[in-house]
Amino acid sequence: DADVTQTPRNRITKTGKRIMLECSQTKGHDRMYWYRQDPGLGLQLIYYSFDVKDINKGEISDGYSVSRQAQAKFSLSLESAIPNQTALYFCATSDWRGTQYFGPGTRLTVL
Amino acid sequence: AQSVTQPDIHITVSEGASLELRCNYSYGATPYLFWYVQSPGQGLQLLLKYFSGDTLVQGIKGFEAEFKRSQSSFNLRKPSVHWSDAAEYFCAVGAQDTGGGADGLTFGKGTHLIIQP
Repeated sequence: DADVTQTPRNRITKTGKRIMLECSQTKGHDRMYWYRQDPGLGLQLIYYSFDVKDINKGEISDGYSVSRQAQAKFSLSLESAIPNQTALYFCATSDWRGTQYFGPGTRLTVL
Repeated sequence: AQSVTQPDIHITVSEGASLELRCNYSYGATPYLFWYVQSPGQGLQLLLKYFSGDTLVQGIKGFEAEFKRSQSSFNLRKPSVHWSDAAEYFCAVGAQDTGGGADGLTFGKGTHLIIQP
């Protein structure tokens, strides 16, 4: 079984809809991250969390929110989706030295 | 703040030829450095990492990388590429002073590797 799982894998939604992307991990890591990938831009950090009570904004947090429900679960929400949020979204965990382990990604399309 | 530059957006290599992908970073101290590979439709897989010590690090799939502090570089190499190496490659840096990239890694924009038969 995969160490980091993401659901859904693909999602098509309409402008203005609220959606949630979910991430679960079995690696036992405290640190979890959400990244966004756009073609030609690499990965950009949206939010990160060190534990359930410690959540931090990344470089592109506007328009997004997160929830850390447990050590193993970290969800990303788009309160009102817009077309320029169409992207590939990755969840990752990190060990104490910063090595990151990625989920398979969620491809989100906002029409 | 740290930054990463991958100068080559696309690289085309013949199968069996050697490969070098370039990565330059900007960081005030010794960074943690990583190379990841992303195959089409897949997530990112760790190829190798550098924390300290020997500046030549070995990774999976026959890849290696060399940390050169004087050049702020961490180039990825492979002596003989296979068609299955066609993918997107990302270099990333983490800051040691934040507990090893605790506030996330900074990624380059990636190099797309094409393998010619």
